[in-house]
Amino acid sequence: AQRVTQPEKLLSVFKGAPVELKCNYSYSGSPELFWYVQYSRQRLQLLLRHISRESIKGFTADLNKGETSFHLKKPFAQEEDSAMYYCALSSGSRLTFGEGTQLTVNP
Amino acid sequence: GAGVSQTPSNKVTEKGKYVELRCDPISGHTALYWYRQSLGQGPEFLIYFQGTGAADDSGLPNDRFFAVRPEGSVSTLKIQRTERGDSAVYLCASSLRRRGYGELFFGEGSRLTVL
Repeated sequence: AQRVTQPEKLLSVFKGAPVELKCNYSYSGSPELFWYVQYSRQRLQLLLRHISRESIKGFTADLNKGETSFHLKKPFAQEEDSAMYYCALSSGSRLTFGEGTQLTVNP
Repeated sequence: GAGVSQTPSNKVTEKGKYVELRCDPISGHTALYWYRQSLGQGPEFLIYFQGTGAADDSGLPNDRFFAVRPEGSVSTLKIQRTERGDSAVYLCASSLRRRGYGELFFGEGSRLTVL
């Protein structure tokens, strides 16, 4: 069975500091991984997916199959990055989400 | 419409009652998903439709939960004999891709409270 673990429920950093949101997964097949974000009073939306190897809003995430991780990183956090972040794994017809990390970027 | 629409946005009911939650996906999206999100948890998969048929309903917790999508567009999640543990936000999402996961577009959710 697939599982996604986000070890930090809360993460607080200062503006301009680097930020890393951790995500580990367990899956027997070839994983397809995503980060979704929910800003305050907005709906859940896709931030980025590993197959695109893209940088969105300054965020990047690299799939590390050896460590079964897909950590989300940004070198200089901004106040508008404050949100709930969910790591998700696709397996067949379902998307399995982690429990989420609430990121707060302080001024 | 501009996005996935869910109604009602809030529903308060009493234990044992029947509830229907409606989802109107983005026009043209053939894939539709229902998720449930309890407080402090990530979204939990319930059911996936491809067109009119339920392609995967293995996430439905028990036979009190049922969902339909008769014309391949609007979907209704039905909960019979509600229990206090059913209280959660029910999220609907739609996707353009026919197989696997493209980008999922979520609605704002229906918050169900069972007293």
